[in-house]
Amino acid sequence: EAGVAQSPRYKIIEKRQSVAFWCNPISGHATLYWYQQILGQGPKLLIQFQNNGVVDDSQLPKDRFSAERLKGVDSTLKIQPAKLEDSAVYLCASSPQTSGAYEQYFGPGTRLTVT
Amino acid sequence: AQTVTQSQPEMSVQEAETVTLSCTYDTSENNYYLFWYKQPPSRQMILVIRQEAYKQQNATENRFSVNFQKAAKSFSLKISDSQLGDTAMYFCAFYAGNNRKLIWGLGTSLAVNP
Repeated sequence: EAGVAQSPRYKIIEKRQSVAFWCNPISGHATLYWYQQILGQGPKLLIQFQNNGVVDDSQLPKDRFSAERLKGVDSTLKIQPAKLEDSAVYLCASSPQTSGAYEQYFGPGTRLTVT
Repeated sequence: AQTVTQSQPEMSVQEAETVTLSCTYDTSENNYYLFWYKQPPSRQMILVIRQEAYKQQNATENRFSVNFQKAAKSFSLKISDSQLGDTAMYFCAFYAGNNRKLIWGLGTSLAVNP
């Protein structure tokens, strides 16, 4: 079974530029998550999708971050414009459960550096 | 509020020895799930082990086992016969249906020394 795929693996941009990350979850997983992980900290949930609907986006900075999950499969996370404090690893995870988190399976992450 | 506490920011162990990582949590829920995740320097988060609160038997996965004490709200991870590849950050996480998301501890950095 293929795991969660993410791209790109690394991205360096200047502040005020835009960036987009892509995630392909494990086949058949209805729930998809985007996390932000700053160095030395645990993951912070940005947004949770169930199929193509948003379940929780309470910690997503909506003035600059947006996410979508078209057709309930792939997802993209966008930052526009980026700030220095957005430098982090962005993790995508998916879960087979349709009603909640249970165990989550993570992709390799995208390391974003904003200069 | 539901919280997860990992009181050991850093730990080290000699190769082939046993180490125990601590985790406590706070909740008023009766049905929930607990997880240990491992994040090696490559940064990919990997599920190590899970425990359902309604199960009295402690979960075991090869060299990894947990000591789940529901009354004490404690969920420690024991790694037996430590290997160099066990060097990683270990996160304890809690899930209950009411908030529908994982609550994460701050992590314990484990170094396995040759």
